[in-house]
Amino acid sequence: QVQVVQSGSELKKPGASVKVSCKASGYSFTSYGMNWVRQAPGQGLEWMGWINTNTGNPTYAQGFTGRFVFSLDTSVSTAYLQISSLKAEDSAVYFCARTLYNWKGDRSAFDIWGQGTMVTVSS
Amino acid sequence: QSALTQPASVSGSPGQSITISCTGTGSDLGGSDYVSWYQQHPGKAPKLIIYDVNNRPSGVSNRFSGSKSDNTASLTISGLQAEDEAHYYCSSYTRRNANWVFGGGTKLTVL
Repeated sequence: QVQVVQSGSELKKPGASVKVSCKASGYSFTSYGMNWVRQAPGQGLEWMGWINTNTGNPTYAQGFTGRFVFSLDTSVSTAYLQISSLKAEDSAVYFCARTLYNWKGDRSAFDIWGQGTMVTVSS
Repeated sequence: QSALTQPASVSGSPGQSITISCTGTGSDLGGSDYVSWYQQHPGKAPKLIIYDVNNRPSGVSNRFSGSKSDNTASLTISGLQAEDEAHYYCSSYTRRNANWVFGGGTKLTVL
């Protein structure tokens, strides 16, 4: 069964860091890119960027540079999102989502989603 | 403010058809064949229902269909069912900065 399973909810204080994991199973981890998507409470989806799981090269969307880091541990088929210097406005659900490649081999959509990780930043 | 514009809400009765629009620009949706749609029930992860404008992943009902004309994409759901009540998001690849953008989401209510 193809799936990605994320780590559990986190409660952090402002200024702290958090690391969210996304463990893939049922497919070749390094054959599909992994994306990160943020959803603030009651809001829509926001693409944060993606990481090429074959090369380890991350790409960050505007607004997600500096404090946000994507990383991998291919030995355990896991992608990570680390957020440093947390702020209250970072409180959100963070999803990882696998890249769908179409018949041309182009990145086409996001086909397998993790269940989401709620990160709450509060003093 | 989302890059793609969707109506905040739509509604329909069981058995009816509804269409959700998604409007962008020539730099994103208008210039991309990579338009997708996602269904999200409360407290759940989004689910891919349409990719590459009008393709359905395996297992997705043929009641869902997609189309695109110029800078506007559309999702049509026919034969509405109670289980279709959810939020729907469009997404597109943007050539401008090789990024992906989402619409603000549309809440579908089945009356």
